[in-house]
Amino acid sequence: QSALTQPASVSGSPGQSITISCTGTSSDIRSYNLVSWYQHHPGKAPKVIIYGVTKRPSGVSSRFSGSKSGNTASLTISGLQSEDEADYYCCSYAGSTTWIFGGGTKLTVL
Amino acid sequence: EVQLVESGGGVVRPGGSLRLSCAASGFTFDDYGMSWVRQVPGKGLEWVSGINWNGGSTAYADSVKGRFTISRDNVKNSLYLQMNSLRAEDTALYHCARVGSRTTRDFDCWGQGTLVTVSS
Repeated sequence: QSALTQPASVSGSPGQSITISCTGTSSDIRSYNLVSWYQHHPGKAPKVIIYGVTKRPSGVSSRFSGSKSGNTASLTISGLQSEDEADYYCCSYAGSTTWIFGGGTKLTVL
Repeated sequence: EVQLVESGGGVVRPGGSLRLSCAASGFTFDDYGMSWVRQVPGKGLEWVSGINWNGGSTAYADSVKGRFTISRDNVKNSLYLQMNSLRAEDTALYHCARVGSRTTRDFDCWGQGTLVTVSS
């Protein structure tokens, strides 16, 4: 049960696009189209922004999008805004009522 | 309004026990699976344990297997985590989270968390 691999940090300027990768194994990301992404501002509860690899919950900006190829999932944020500065976590269902999170990526908006 | 409120955290010595609770409101509790997710201060999220809608299926991260027990009471709309043989590395903010559905398997609602500190 090793954590999914994410870059520790990414940064971008307002208006730019960034992509955060999330690499797992054949037992999690590759096996299930059940990757979700969470935005976490310090002191607040995490918030789901992508589920089912590509789907956005109601109320989440269309600037957030998700994809998957093989063992790797990705989150893209377009048109960066200052309020996007937060920690982002990927998560994959891994079968038998178990999940695995990524180590988290700190997004800095320059 | 969907709400999850955790309680039961505190300071405990290594080897000690704590029981966390999560009170759910604003939704039909027994329609959903639930999980506990923790965050070590300054570090990332870690899935700890999960339970299906009726408690018939449970699962644990390897790091807590054999020491923690998840349970639920659908009459009281509550989720629990019994933590035994606590270690310093169990120190974290513990969130309860609702599993959105069996087809999405995302955590669509989270509590603010309860802090567990294991220290001598």
